[in-house]
Amino acid sequence: LAKTTQPISMDSYEGQEVNITCSHNNIATNDYITWYQQFPSQGPRFIIQGYKTKVTNEVASLFIPADRKSSTLSLPRVSLSDTAVYYCLVRPGGYNKLIFGAGTRLAVHP
Amino acid sequence: GAGVSQSPSNKVTEKGKDVELRCDPISGHTALYWYRQRLGQGLEFLIYFQGNSAPDKSGLPSDRFSAERTGESVSTLTIQRTQQEDSAVYLCASSLARAGGGDTQYFGPGTRLTVL
Repeated sequence: LAKTTQPISMDSYEGQEVNITCSHNNIATNDYITWYQQFPSQGPRFIIQGYKTKVTNEVASLFIPADRKSSTLSLPRVSLSDTAVYYCLVRPGGYNKLIFGAGTRLAVHP
Repeated sequence: GAGVSQSPSNKVTEKGKDVELRCDPISGHTALYWYRQRLGQGLEFLIYFQGNSAPDKSGLPSDRFSAERTGESVSTLTIQRTQQEDSAVYLCASSLARAGGGDTQYFGPGTRLTVL
């Protein structure tokens, strides 16, 4: 399974756009890139998933360059409630166990 | 139900005791997963059930850990002779087990286990 590398922590302010980049140099052809969000004392929550180019939903956007060796999660206009840990995962298509790294702790300040 | 539920939400036990943790997946979800999360760390995969297939037990840390699932519903994770290093949050997730890239795992709130 491809290993992911992402910043340990990030700080931002309300209303700003936050971009969290994840490296996955060993991504395989059939791997998907998935991001989860976790608040304290809660289970992780699926945010977004993509295979290539750009994916956008009501919560975030995911940018994946052509070589797929990295991806960037973009959170527009963050609020205090976006303070959480964000996990980047690479996994084969279909159902399977998820391999979590340490994630990125995002702190949004007033 | 509306989401994955787990019970108990908190469990405090003494070293050497056995504990059982319960997970009720989302109705209709054929895949069920157990993970462990130690304080300040990411999740570790423990075990995975899919339909009638043999479970993937590759993540179980020792033979003190076991899990069962009744059909495509409730699952129980059992830890025998608990040790202090077993203290963690145990998370359950379920999914529809879609092929391709569309399978999403939905997590429960977890059970916080403290072994004294």
